[in-house]
Amino acid sequence: RKEVEQDPGPFNVPEGATVAFNCTYSNSASQSFFWYRQDCRKEPKLLMSVYSSGNEDGRFTAQLNRASQYISLLIRDSKLSDSATYLCVVGGSQGNLIFGKGTKLSVKP
Amino acid sequence: NAGVMQNPRHLVRRRGQEARLRCSPMKGHSHVYWYRQLPEEGLKFMVYLQKENIIDESGMPKERFSAEFPKEGPSILRIQQVVRGDSAAYFCASSRNGPLNTEAFFGQGTRLTVV
Repeated sequence: RKEVEQDPGPFNVPEGATVAFNCTYSNSASQSFFWYRQDCRKEPKLLMSVYSSGNEDGRFTAQLNRASQYISLLIRDSKLSDSATYLCVVGGSQGNLIFGKGTKLSVKP
Repeated sequence: NAGVMQNPRHLVRRRGQEARLRCSPMKGHSHVYWYRQLPEEGLKFMVYLQKENIIDESGMPKERFSAEFPKEGPSILRIQQVVRGDSAAYFCASSRNGPLNTEAFFGQGTRLTVV
C-alpha cells in the first residue's frame, strides 16, 4: 500500500459544482495532515490543515477519519480559480511531509 | 517578511557537471525539507534537515547527492556528476517546528535541466 494515495482524477466540473477529493494513508501513527494546492509549474501552497474534528475555511471543508486512515476535501461552489492539482499530505514519523501524487481539478465555465 | 527563497530558479548543466541548489528558509524557521518533482509526477521527499543536522535522508539517492544546512547561510542541495535523469524541479520547504507541527512553506523551486 502506498504511503499516501489519492483519487487519480482528473476531475472536470462546471462552475458552481461541489467536488470531493479522497485520500488514504498507510501509517496509523501519522499525526499531522494537510491539503496543499499546486498550480501548473508552481510551488505547492498550503490550503488547509486537517484536524480530527474536521475544519472549514470558506468553501473548503476538510475531514479526517483516523480509524479508516482517510482524509477528504470538499469544495463547494467551485470557481474557475480553483483549477489546480490538490495534494494530500501526511506528516511522516520523523517530521518530513509525505505527499500524494495529487488530483487534478479543472473547473469549466 | 520574505518567504522561502530558492536560487537559481533555472539551472542548466551538462552531464558530468555539478549542480548546487540553494534554499534560504523563512525567517524564524529552522527546519528545511527538499523535494524532487519529475514532470507529471508527485513530490518525492529527499531529505529533512535542521541547523547543522540531517534528520532524515531516507529519500536521497545513495550516490552523488548530498545536502547540508550550516549554522550560517542557506541550505545547499548538491548533485555531483549530473545525469539526464536528474532533470527535475527541486523544491525546498521550511517550517518553524518539526514533528507534529510540520506546516511547511515552499520556495518557488529550482528547475534543473541536464543536457
